Amino acid sequence: DGGITQSPKYLFRKEGQNVTLSCEQNLNHDAMYWYRQDPGQGLRLIYYSQIVNDFQKGDIAEGYSVSREKKESFPLTVTSAQKNPTAFYLCASSNPSGDSTDTQYFGPGTRLTVL
Amino acid sequence: AQKVTQAQTEISVVEKEDVTLDCVYETRDTTYYLFWYKQPPSGELVFLIRRNSFDEQNEISGRYSWNFQKSTSSFNFTITASQVVDSAVYFCALSEAGGGSYIPTFGRGTSLIVHP
Repeated sequence: DGGITQSPKYLFRKEGQNVTLSCEQNLNHDAMYWYRQDPGQGLRLIYYSQIVNDFQKGDIAEGYSVSREKKESFPLTVTSAQKNPTAFYLCASSNPSGDSTDTQYFGPGTRLTVL
Repeated sequence: AQKVTQAQTEISVVEKEDVTLDCVYETRDTTYYLFWYKQPPSGELVFLIRRNSFDEQNEISGRYSWNFQKSTSSFNFTITASQVVDSAVYFCALSEAGGGSYIPTFGRGTSLIVHP
């Protein structure tokens, strides 16, 4: 089945450590996105990539980094510079060349907790 | 700049009641798209509907219906005869065609609790 997978589902990190969240899609979508969700604040865009080897900062990129070496993969690294990383992280993808150019489809999310 | 407001933070109903979730948006573009997503307790956002700004027809899908009114910049979502499985957080979103990036802006969500 086509879809988006994120791993792990739950992640615990000690302060001062970097951690990488995985996002893989087999929908053949060109664009991929990372969002952060905090209680009562909706979704906030961290980074997005509309094509391989290119990505753009979103609204809250500080303390995060990404790479887009393959079309199907868009990993997010939460660095030690991120002051409050405990949150729920959602990955999404869309197909700008399709009929519904901006409909995003989401993965199941990763819940990151900093101990 | 685009903006989406979901003024209802939480709604609590009893099963079989009808419930309407409000969504008000702001945009300067004449071409834009509106969305609704459902986020059940598992966390994954599930796409429900996409509407473009040139199509004001209301849509019905089973117990779900959507009322798009450009005159009031609203895109409200009604669940008829609610069920416990409808309990979730619902997000309204807007994307503008003019920017080229097609990245939607999400509202803060409305938490719907359906009691048996």
